[in-house]
Formats: sequence, C-alpha cells, structure tokens
Amino acid sequence: DARVTQTPRHKVTEMGQEVTMRCQPILGHNTVFWYRQTMMQGLELLAYFRNRAPLDDSGMPKDRFSAEMPDATLATLKIQPSEPRDSAVYFCASANFNTGELFFGEGSRLTVL
Amino acid sequence: GENVEQHPSTLSVQEGDSAVIKCTYSDSASNYFPWYKQELGKRPQLIIDIRSNVGEKKDQRIAVTLNKTAKHFSLHITETQPEDSAVYFCAAKTGGGNKLTFGTGTQLKVEL
Repeated sequence: DARVTQTPRHKVTEMGQEVTMRCQPILGHNTVFWYRQTMMQGLELLAYFRNRAPLDDSGMPKDRFSAEMPDATLATLKIQPSEPRDSAVYFCASANFNTGELFFGEGSRLTVL
Repeated sequence: GENVEQHPSTLSVQEGDSAVIKCTYSDSASNYFPWYKQELGKRPQLIIDIRSNVGEKKDQRIAVTLNKTAKHFSLHITETQPEDSAVYFCAAKTGGGNKLTFGTGTQLKVEL
C-alpha cells in the first residue's frame, strides 16, 4: 500500500529555531504539494512542485519559509526562524499529474513556543 | 485564482438521515472536483470525485452533483452512520496543473 511518508510526526520547538520537515512522495508521483492546516485557515497551499521544479509558492511567506526537492524521493519544507504563529499541521501530498488524485501524508504537527 | 466556498461549516444529523454539503467555485476553467474526508487527527482522504464532463456520480451511500452553469457542486450522504462523523473538504482544480484549492471544511456530526 503506497503512502506518502512525512517526518517528523510531531515537533515542539522554541521561537527562533530552525524547523525542517521532510516528505517522501509515492514512487512515480511527479507532483508534490505542501499544505498547512490550522483551525482558522483550513487547508492552505504553501508550495507545489512538478517533476521537482517549483511551480507555485505564492502561499508561502518567503522571508522565513523555503521548500525544495533535492531529488524525486524527497521534498523538504524549512522554517527559519520559526514563530509561534507557524504552529499548525503541515501536510505533504503527492499526485500523478495525469490522474490528479492527491494522496496526503499523515502530517507533521508543529508547535512553536 | 480559484476561490472555493463551502457551507455549512458544521452539520449535525441523526443517524439514518441524509447530509448535504455544498460548495461553489469561481474559476469556470476548473474541471476536477474531489471531496476529502478527514477524521480527527488523521490525514484527508479522497472519498469521491467528479470531472466537469459529468453531472452526477454515485458510490454506495455517497454521491456528488455538479452544476457547471451555476459553478456549484454538492456532496450527498444517505443513511448516515456514526463513522461518517468527520470534517469534509471540497476542492476544485483548474486545468493545466494539479493545484487544488480547498473549501474551508464542514464538520459533520452523526448523532445516535
């Protein structure tokens, strides 16, 4: 059963620290997304990649967030420096461009104190 | 860009009753409309989807209808059961990419 894998599942850190979240998309999926979920904002798209190239990161605060795909099996989302308002669940999702269905990972729950 | 509105934000029904959740979208070029179910503490999972060349699709107790002219689509759950309790998200995808814009979610509670 192919799944999107995210690490860490939970992260508690102090304001100002760097946070790195990792995602392994489903093998063969060429589109990868980062979503942020909060109670107030629902599911917000932060960034997405197709064939490892960034297509849209307009939802991401550029001054502190960065997203990369060093290779086809790894996507990363970094926050530096982290702030309490970044506390949320961050979901990675992958899709095959032709079928369109998104498969979500289990999420990384981030708490910034 | 695409804007998706979803109503209601919360919905409480009695077991066995039907539940309907409605969404509207803004981009007439959108052509794919999935619905995701998210149980507490879990990831969103696809339950049904519909493409713009189809007006209705059904899968056992769930169905989705699409009105392209009015730019709205709805999720219908019949004979609701307690395990249907969850947050449901609608979404819309504009052609040319896989970017999904999600609605704000509906908390469905099925009461015994």
